[in-house]
Amino acid sequence: DTGVSQDPRHKITKRGQNVTFRCDPISEHNRLYWYRQTLGQGPEFLTYFQNEAQLEKSRLLSDRFSAERPKGSFSTLEIQRTEQGDSAMYLCASSPGTANNYGYTFGSGTRLTVV
Amino acid sequence: AQRVTQPEKLLSVFKGAPVELKCNYSYSGSPELFWYVQYSRQRLQLLLRHISRESIKGFTADLNKGETSFHLKKPFAQEEDSAMYYCALNKAAGNKLTFGGGTRVLVKP
Repeated sequence: DTGVSQDPRHKITKRGQNVTFRCDPISEHNRLYWYRQTLGQGPEFLTYFQNEAQLEKSRLLSDRFSAERPKGSFSTLEIQRTEQGDSAMYLCASSPGTANNYGYTFGSGTRLTVV
Repeated sequence: AQRVTQPEKLLSVFKGAPVELKCNYSYSGSPELFWYVQYSRQRLQLLLRHISRESIKGFTADLNKGETSFHLKKPFAQEEDSAMYYCALNKAAGNKLTFGGGTRVLVKP
């Protein structure tokens, strides 16, 4: 296991197109998080899964965004009808338990550019 | 709602000088505080947690609940400390980290 993997590393898309990102967490981690990071800012929480259950979503996650973790393993984040404001780095992280005890292991991120 | 503020966007110090990165938070309960670091071309990684009261790579951080601060300190900065540093907060039994805006540290030779 080489850590948290995200695919693709970079994505350039035209405004209005749909995009999907994938995250493979560390296999024994039951918690998975999605964050978004724009230039000059810290990561902002989007959503969180415990196993296959999506337990919390940020108000940042508009109805154009949907995330799934169908079997409690990998997760996908889909953005429909992309807008230029969606351009950002999308980070995935996983944890074996609560962040307080274990912290997060982050992936390298997917950089989205909407043109 | 919880908030984390890192007032310095950039800290530039000479090798061997002390460095202190400020982090202030707002949260009414008992927070758990973290420092994350991102070296050039690497992923974000955990540096230290306040509950561990540990020193990692010469860095220490003390939670001051009276001043609602969690400043990161190192007495003698090294060139390899050049990186982005993020302070983060999790409320007790919470499920998500709230990050500050980050501080870029540049250690000059």
